[in-house]
Amino acid sequence: DGGITQSPKYLFRKEGQNVTLSCEQNLNHDAMYWYRQDPGQGLRLIYYSQIVNDFQKGDIAEGYSVSREKKESFPLTVTSAQKNPTAFYLCASSLNWANEKLFFGSGTQLSVL
Amino acid sequence: AQTVTQSQPEMSVQEAETVTLSCTYDTSENNYYLFWYKQPPSRQMILVIRQEAYKQQNATENRFSVNFQKAAKSFSLKISDSQLGDTAMYFCAFSPTQGGSEKLVFGKGTKLTVNP
Repeated sequence: DGGITQSPKYLFRKEGQNVTLSCEQNLNHDAMYWYRQDPGQGLRLIYYSQIVNDFQKGDIAEGYSVSREKKESFPLTVTSAQKNPTAFYLCASSLNWANEKLFFGSGTQLSVL
Repeated sequence: AQTVTQSQPEMSVQEAETVTLSCTYDTSENNYYLFWYKQPPSRQMILVIRQEAYKQQNATENRFSVNFQKAAKSFSLKISDSQLGDTAMYFCAFSPTQGGSEKLVFGKGTKLTVNP
């Protein structure tokens, strides 16, 4: 079945540590997105990629980094510069940048030890 | 900047009854899309229904329908014959047709509980 796979489901970060969240899709979609969800809040865009080898900052990119070396993969690194990383992270994809229909993964809950 | 407001943080409904979730938005755009997403306890976001602003006819998907009032900038979701599986967070979202999906803006959500 086609879809988006995020791993791990739960992740714990120590102070000063960088952690990487995985997002893989087999939908052959060009565009991919990372969102952050905090309790009582809607989704906020961290980074997005319109096409392989290209990515752009979203509304809350500080303390995060991404790469898009392969079409199917869009990993998100939460760096030590992100002072409040505890949140639920959702990855999404769309057929292309102009297509408004998003498909979401099942998310990663990141917590700080 | 576009904003999306969901004024009902929590709602509950009895199984088999009908419930309406409210959403208002603010934009100067004339052409745009509106969405309702469902986030069940599994936390995966699922698209429930989508409306194109230039279409006057309200979108429907089985038991889900919308009341789109463009002049009032209102986009409510009606769930008929509520089922226990409808228990979830529901997010209203807005996206202009110009530009890509990175312009998608979400409301803060309404937590819906369907009681047996």
